Amino acid sequence: SQTIHQWPATLVQPVGSPLSLECTVEGTSNPNLYWYRQAAGRGLQLLFYSVGIGQISSEVPQNLSASRPQDRQFILSSKKLLLSDSGFYLCAWSWGLTESTGELFFGEGSRLTVL
Amino acid sequence: AQSVSQHNHHVILSEAASLELGCNYSYGGTVNLFWYVQYPGQHLQLLLKYFSGDPLVKGIKGFEAEFIKSKFSFNLRKPSVQWSDTAEYFCAVNAQGNTGKLIFGQGTTLQVKP
Repeated sequence: SQTIHQWPATLVQPVGSPLSLECTVEGTSNPNLYWYRQAAGRGLQLLFYSVGIGQISSEVPQNLSASRPQDRQFILSSKKLLLSDSGFYLCAWSWGLTESTGELFFGEGSRLTVL
Repeated sequence: AQSVSQHNHHVILSEAASLELGCNYSYGGTVNLFWYVQYPGQHLQLLLKYFSGDPLVKGIKGFEAEFIKSKFSFNLRKPSVQWSDTAEYFCAVNAQGNTGKLIFGQGTTLQVKP
């Protein structure tokens, strides 16, 4: 069966510090990978998605970047955090293009607080 | 651009009451529709989904949703809620063939009083 893990679960960082959130998927190959941010009362906002190694699409301009160094690894980064980067970040995967039904499978989430 | 609107942001019900959460989307093409649920302290999980066929779909825990194409709606229903249904509910849509780029509504917090 497939599993998805992301870490750390909780992170408190000062303004201007770097960020690295990591997500890995097990039990499947060539998944599509996603980073969402969940804000209270605003639902989930898609930040990045990837259909393959090194292929990243950004949905909204921001202070964050994403990378996919391996097939089942997706990393969310920032060089210098802003207060507005605080939030709950969710990694998700879906089946690849030929098998995809659109259903997403979510990780446990990472709560980031920037002070 | 696609968008999803959930009309109720916070719903409070007593146990055994009936539930209907509204969801409308804007997109002119063929869509897949989803309801996700997030119980307190747990990760998002799929409640039910519609891809094609019978517009009335049944999900886990007695939930169902009806796709009404003419109204661009996909409302979630449950005849009798339980305290354990307390959670946040998200409606989501993606254009068929759009590789999982789900667009989510704002979410509805459901509080069920015992």
